[in-house]
Order: sequence, then structure tokens, then C-alpha cells
Amino acid sequence: GQQLNQSPQSMFIQEGEDVSMNCTSSSIFNTWLWYKQDPGEGPVLLIALYKAGELTSNGRLTAQFGITRKDSFLNISASIPSDVGIYFCSSGGSNYKLTFGKGTLLTVNP
Amino acid sequence: SQTIHQWPATLVQPVGSPLSLECTVEGTSNPNLYWYRQAAGRGLQLLFYSVGIGQISSEVPQNLSASRPQDRQFILSSKKLLLSDSGFYLCAWWGQQGARETQYFGPGTRLLVL
Repeated sequence: GQQLNQSPQSMFIQEGEDVSMNCTSSSIFNTWLWYKQDPGEGPVLLIALYKAGELTSNGRLTAQFGITRKDSFLNISASIPSDVGIYFCSSGGSNYKLTFGKGTLLTVNP
Repeated sequence: SQTIHQWPATLVQPVGSPLSLECTVEGTSNPNLYWYRQAAGRGLQLLFYSVGIGQISSEVPQNLSASRPQDRQFILSSKKLLLSDSGFYLCAWWGQQGARETQYFGPGTRLLVL
């Protein structure tokens, strides 16, 4: 089946630093979605991307849909302690089923 | 706006007991609905999805089943739970949000099988 390679698996950073994570795939997708999950809660949608090359921001978060349609990245600028959590990338084709990466665990040291 | 509910929030069940988890969606009609399981806080495994009432697609063979008795209701069941069924169960819907389609998750049900 389709797989997404999400990296890094985990990150330990200092408050104020910028963060970058990405996902790649061998398949072409029509949609890239980025989620954040806090412990014990469901994933919350951060940014949705629908067009190759699309660059979208949501506050300190920026994500881009790769030109090849096989990759996407998420950047977080000036990290704060509440950015801690697991970040998931996901991508979808035309059948309304999403494929998820295995997540990036982010730890922010104050 | 759309809202997705799951209950119960937490459940502790003995091995061999039955299971019923419920998911309902408000504020949308004819959504695609999904059940995922998440083990050990990482990785989302798609279990079932449904594109309409009575239509269920199974992704992974297991002792779980799903049903969609109403347009906005999705139920995950088991006749006899296994220890390996423990995990965090998430319901999600895929539908129109403004001009675009996207997927949203419910708050989840944490299941512990002892």
C-alpha cells in the first residue's frame, strides 16, 4: 500500500528555535494535510494543501505542497512550549482515503 | 459548523467482552466516515470507512466490525475483545469545509482491555 516517509521521528529543541519537518512519498497525491496531536486527544488539523506548489501559513506555521506532488514540509517559527506534541502529515488521492506518516514527536525546552 | 462526537471517552473492558463505540457528526450531511486505531501514541491505522448508510469498507482483517445505521452515525463493535484491541480509537469525517474538502477527527475513545 501507499506509504509516507515522515522525518524526523522526533525533535528536541529550545524555545524560540525554528522547526522543520517533512513528508515524502513515492506516489502522487492531490491533498496534503498536517495535523497536531496533544496527548489523549484527537489530531487537530493545522494546514490543508490542495495544489502543487501551494504555500500556506497559519500563524507561526507554514506548509508547502511540493511541485512534484510527492512531498510536503511544515515549518514552525519561534517555537513555544505549547508547540509540544506529535505532528502528522497525511495525503490523499481521489478515493477519500488518507495515508498518514508515522509522526514527528516535538519537545520544546523552555 | 461541523462537530464530531465520540463516546465513551474512556473504557476498560475484560477480554472476551463485547464492544460498542459510537461516533456522530453534526452540521453536515452524507459525510465519509472513518474509524482509526492508534497504538502507543504513534501511527494511525485505518480500520473502516463508510461512504454512505449501510456501506462499510474494511481495511484490516480483525475481530472488529463497523456499522452505519444512520447518515451521521458510525459504530465500531466487537463480539469478543482481545488484549490486542487496546488502543486509542478515533473517528473522523471527510467532507466539505467551505470550498474545499478535508478530514477532521473526533476526540477519541481510549480502550483498555484487561
